[in-house]
Amino acid sequence: DAKTTQPNSMESNEEEPVHLPCNHSTISGTDYIHWYRQLPSQGPEYVIHGLTSNVNNRMASLAIAEDRKSSTLILHRATLRDAAVYYCILFEGGNQFYFGTGTSLTVIP
Amino acid sequence: GAGVSQTPSNKVTEKGKYVELRCDPISGHTALYWYRQSLGQGPEFLIYFQGTGAADDSGLPNDRFFAVRPEGSVSTLKIQRTERGDSAVYLCASSPWGASGEQFFGPGTRLTVL
Repeated sequence: DAKTTQPNSMESNEEEPVHLPCNHSTISGTDYIHWYRQLPSQGPEYVIHGLTSNVNNRMASLAIAEDRKSSTLILHRATLRDAAVYYCILFEGGNQFYFGTGTSLTVIP
Repeated sequence: GAGVSQTPSNKVTEKGKYVELRCDPISGHTALYWYRQSLGQGPEFLIYFQGTGAADDSGLPNDRFFAVRPEGSVSTLKIQRTERGDSAVYLCASSPWGASGEQFFGPGTRLTVL
């Protein structure tokens, strides 16, 4: 399975934008880039995914590097409810996600 | 609409006992996944069902672990002769398709083996 590398933790001030980086230098051409987040005592929650082009939805934006070896999840205005562990995952379809340890985001009021 | 549900939410058992963990996926979702999450770690894949059959069970740690999905909806994860190292949160997820699709997770079952 292709693996991802994320910082263990990040901090952001409330209402500021947050850029969560992910490196995936061994990504293959068919791997989708998925982001999930996990709030305390809950199951993971889908955030966004993409293949090559940048993606936007109501929760976040996903910026994918041209060579696809890295990506950035962008939360445009962090709120206290965004405090969670964020996982960057490569998925080539079918079987399984490899989660890694993710980035623990702390939002400071 | 109803999401993925898992029962029980908490299970405490003694070493050597047998346990069953249940997952009710979202209606109509053909793919179902089981994961295990230890404290401070990300979820770890156990098994994946497409319909009634286990398409990939490569994540099951040993033959004490077994899962079924006889009618293509509800799934049961079964653990025989539990060990203290089996203590973890067991997560279930379902998806309407396998490739590229979003997985919907349940709240998990916290298993504690004394």
